Amino acid sequence: KAGVTQTPRYLIKTRGQQVTLSCSPISGHRSVSWYQQTPGQGLQFLFEYFSETQRNKGNFPGRFSGRQFSNSRSEMNVSTLELGDSALYLCASSERTGGNSPLHFGNGTRLTVT
Amino acid sequence: DQQVKQNSPSLSVQEGRISILNCDYTNSMFDYFLWYKKYPAEGPTFLISISSIKDKNEDGRFTVFLNKSAKHLSLHIVPSQPGDSAVYFCAASAKDDMRFGAGTRLTVKP
Repeated sequence: KAGVTQTPRYLIKTRGQQVTLSCSPISGHRSVSWYQQTPGQGLQFLFEYFSETQRNKGNFPGRFSGRQFSNSRSEMNVSTLELGDSALYLCASSERTGGNSPLHFGNGTRLTVT
Repeated sequence: DQQVKQNSPSLSVQEGRISILNCDYTNSMFDYFLWYKKYPAEGPTFLISISSIKDKNEDGRFTVFLNKSAKHLSLHIVPSQPGDSAVYFCAASAKDDMRFGAGTRLTVKP
């Protein structure tokens, strides 16, 4: 099976712009989660989608949003970008929702905000 | 709030020796624990997990130990190999909530 695919791999945006990141999960996986990784902060949970419904949301401002399509592909959007949004954004898929299912991560999208 | 803590940002060991990575958590509701390994420019990959009903789980060179009373888990790698050099994240989950630590960078020297 193909792994989790994230596009694009790298993005450079300026403050105030908005950005959309894309994630294609492993075939058959219906749960997609998004994480932000910054140095020293580990992986911060953004949100999880399962069967097109947001099941869980982390402690991020409303500028961060997402959605999931009927084919389980997911997109994450960040509006009004700030310098602090520069990070590696990781998408992960799993067979089922809930914390007991190991996550399969993509290679991430490196976002730089200037 | 940091519900999962990895207090050592880095660890260096000699090839062939044991590597011990530690992780502490604060939420007693966590009932499933996982370790992930991350190489540069790649996403984390699942390594090993343990349920709260166990205190040890072994998979080849990797063993995870769980001490529920101390809210502490550790990952042992024996023997350590240069290819094990990576950032290791511990994660703890409770129902729909999974939290990650900040990671420990392991360097295995030949």
